[in-house]
Amino acid sequence: SQQGEEDPQALSIQEGENATMNCSYKTSINNLQWYRQNSGRGLVHLILIRSNEREKHSGRLRVTLDTSKKSSSLLITASRAADTASYFCATDAGYIPTFGRGTSLIVHP
Amino acid sequence: DSGVTQTPKHLITATGQRVTLRCSPRSGDLSVYWYQQSLDQGLQFLIQYYNGEERAKGNILERFSAQQFPDLHSELNLSSLELGDSALYFCASSPPVLRTDTQYFGPGTRLTVL
Repeated sequence: SQQGEEDPQALSIQEGENATMNCSYKTSINNLQWYRQNSGRGLVHLILIRSNEREKHSGRLRVTLDTSKKSSSLLITASRAADTASYFCATDAGYIPTFGRGTSLIVHP
Repeated sequence: DSGVTQTPKHLITATGQRVTLRCSPRSGDLSVYWYQQSLDQGLQFLIQYYNGEERAKGNILERFSAQQFPDLHSELNLSSLELGDSALYFCASSPPVLRTDTQYFGPGTRLTVL
């Protein structure tokens, strides 16, 4: 089964609203990353948070990490129609990267 | 543009055939990863090479093989193709660090097996 699992599977919001996606994982990690994928395209790296960090910001993105709960969240503030994409969390178990199934985000203009 | 190139973009072939997918990593990156993405299985890690050597193996079938050449480009060979092999195949590269770090993905090769 997947190391990382995103929740919800799908999210539909209006432009300007915030979008929150969660990721849970099973084993200890060195870092956790979030990626974005537009339909049928390659994944694009958004942000990396290391296991000794609790929160990280990048523009309209805010990522939190709770290693005690083995979970992370990605918050996109003031969403735009261009944020419509699938979002994946990726964890590492040594050298093997493991991706969840992703959250499909639709932002309606 | 991530700097990772993959060819071809699309490939349509028949069951039982063999295909080769090619990937050129970003300049300076030593690691190459291969992934398979299908609707029912999500993004599955197949295999990783680091500077020509196999470093990690994931859910790669025995019918599949890969290698990384001295110029660091990589090829993924898929043989005895089945309908279920139809998927998007991504290559990614990452900087020369010891542990898994940021990966830069190519645009993918869409394989359709008829």
